Amino acid sequence: AQSVTQLGSHVSVSEGALVLLRCNYSSSVPPYLFWYVQYPNQGLQLLLKYTSAATLVKGINGFEAEFKKSETSFHLTKPSAHMSDAAEYFCAVLPTNAGKSTFGDGTTLTVKP
Amino acid sequence: NAGVMQNPRHLVRRRGQEARLRCSPMKGHSHVYWYRQLPEEGLKFMVYLQKENIIDESGMPKERFSAEFPKEGPSILRIQQVVRGDSAAYFCASSRDTGDTEAFFGQGTRLTVV
Repeated sequence: AQSVTQLGSHVSVSEGALVLLRCNYSSSVPPYLFWYVQYPNQGLQLLLKYTSAATLVKGINGFEAEFKKSETSFHLTKPSAHMSDAAEYFCAVLPTNAGKSTFGDGTTLTVKP
Repeated sequence: NAGVMQNPRHLVRRRGQEARLRCSPMKGHSHVYWYRQLPEEGLKFMVYLQKENIIDESGMPKERFSAEFPKEGPSILRIQQVVRGDSAAYFCASSRDTGDTEAFFGQGTRLTVV
């Protein structure tokens, strides 16, 4: 069984500030981990994924995430927020023995001018 | 290469009617997943299907909901006798095979029950 916890349902940052969205997971088998972004009334777009290669994963739009097994975390960061980053972000875990993904409840990112 | 296609994008049903949501996976994908997103919540897994087989339906409500993925044609999520609580966004995702690490998502169908 697996689960995902996203700490903070709402995060607000100023434009140009660091973005940090937190994700902790639990999984009975080594997991694959994902971050998705969802814009209003849109589907989910994959930002990045961890599949047991490098622990620091770079994604689209300047985002990156670091897999820390000891902390069971996969936090998403971006050095400098842009207005267009305002959206909802979901962390998801997929067990490596395949099957369904489990999603966190999401974090809404607001970027202030 | 078209992505995962869901239709309709928006669906309005009166209480008691049936809702049929369609999902055409990406070309070459034989695995389909359905998720439901209630307002202000994350995605909750409903069902995982391969062609003509239901692999995992542990997230499906016991009554009124059914899903199929026939040999030909799209996957269908069917909700009978809809109630207000069924109002949500329903997302479909597809992948090539069991070992595929990425599922691609459709734009979703937003169901409103009035």
